[in-house]
Order: sequence, then C-alpha cells, then structure tokens
Amino acid sequence: DSGVTQTPKHLITATGQRVTLRCSPRSGDLSVYWYQQSLDQGLQFLIQYYNGEERAKGNILERFSAQQFPDLHSELNLSSLELGDSALYFCASSESQGVKYNEQFFGPGTRLTVL
Amino acid sequence: TQLLEQSPQFLSIQEGENLTVYCNSSSVFSSLQWYRQEPGEGPVLLVTVVTGGEVKKLKRLTFQFGDARKDSSLHITAAQPGDTGLYLCAGPTYNQGGKLIFGQGTELSVKP
Repeated sequence: DSGVTQTPKHLITATGQRVTLRCSPRSGDLSVYWYQQSLDQGLQFLIQYYNGEERAKGNILERFSAQQFPDLHSELNLSSLELGDSALYFCASSESQGVKYNEQFFGPGTRLTVL
Repeated sequence: TQLLEQSPQFLSIQEGENLTVYCNSSSVFSSLQWYRQEPGEGPVLLVTVVTGGEVKKLKRLTFQFGDARKDSSLHITAAQPGDTGLYLCAGPTYNQGGKLIFGQGTELSVKP
C-alpha cells in the first residue's frame, strides 16, 4: 500500500459526459501528479500540483482540468468525454518538487470506460 | 527533449532463467527510478539510483546506473512467476517541477 488513495476504482460513463476523479496523497506529501495510461500511449504525464499551485503541465487536453485543495487532496475533471479518453488514470505524490530524486508513489488508479 | 528507451519491449522466459532489461537515453539524468506494475494496479517504486556507476540489489534484482548517468539496467537472477509484470524506468526532468519521464516499459512474463 503506497498510502495514496484514489476514488472511484472504476467509472463507466457515456460520451459527452463529465466525471471527477479524486486523489488523496500520502501524509506529508505536497506534490500531486496525474498520469494517463492507455495501451498504445504508455504512461503519460498530465499535470502536477505543489501545495495547491499548478507546477507543470504535460499532454493534458483542454477538456481536462485539475485542482489541489487546501487539505492537499486533488481532483481531475474530465469533460465532454470521448471514446479515446478511456484509460487508466493514476495519481502519484511526492514529498517535494525537487528535481534530483523526486520519488513518486502511485495510487491504485481509476479505470475510466467511455461508452 | 529527454527520452527514455527501454528494451526489450516484451520478454517471455521460463522460471529459473536470468534476464536483463535496459533503459537508455541520450540525455543525462540526475537519477533514475525503476517501477514494477501489475495489470490494473499502480506502478510500485522498486529503487532509485543516483550516482554514476551505482549498483543496488533488491533480493534477486540488481539495478545499475551507467557511469555517464544516461542509462540503467535491471538484471533479474533466477526469475520466478511472481516477477511477471511491467517494468518501467523513469527519470526526473530538469525544467518542469521534476516531473518524471517514463520509458515505454518492458512486459515480462515468467512461465512456471
């Protein structure tokens, strides 16, 4: 158990809908990262928050947004969903945003299926 | 652009065999990490290598960081079915809050 929790575990929805994925980092971790993993794209970085502020953006679509709250939990919002958004979404956390080590601890993921 | 290339992409071996997975880049990394992921679960951090030439052992797994800090390898001795999974190498970027770049992974299957 990494100490990172994600809900829900599974999510099935229809095209055009909006969903929210939730992540609670390990106790004491200030950085939260969101990743998308699909069969053909591997693990792709979406966005990072550090202590409530956006720090880095990756290949995140404009239809997707995220935020980190004062209690450090984070939510990833996916809207106008398309079939291609079906994937595993992971949240990871780390102590800081330092470059040298940046060991990240991953949650169990949310499997999103868009029908 | 920093990239990590892993080889092989797929590996299917018999229990008891040895294997090596490679992670290569043309860029220098301050550190490299290895993760193992089982189907439907999140990646689990196995080890972080930091110093060029460093060797770390985790039971039957041996991790090495290249002298120039551009590559790493994972060697498994006497593989067991429980070693089956996706092995990912990852390294922090320099200019984006330390986000990790991941290799595409090596899918290992160890048959009894």
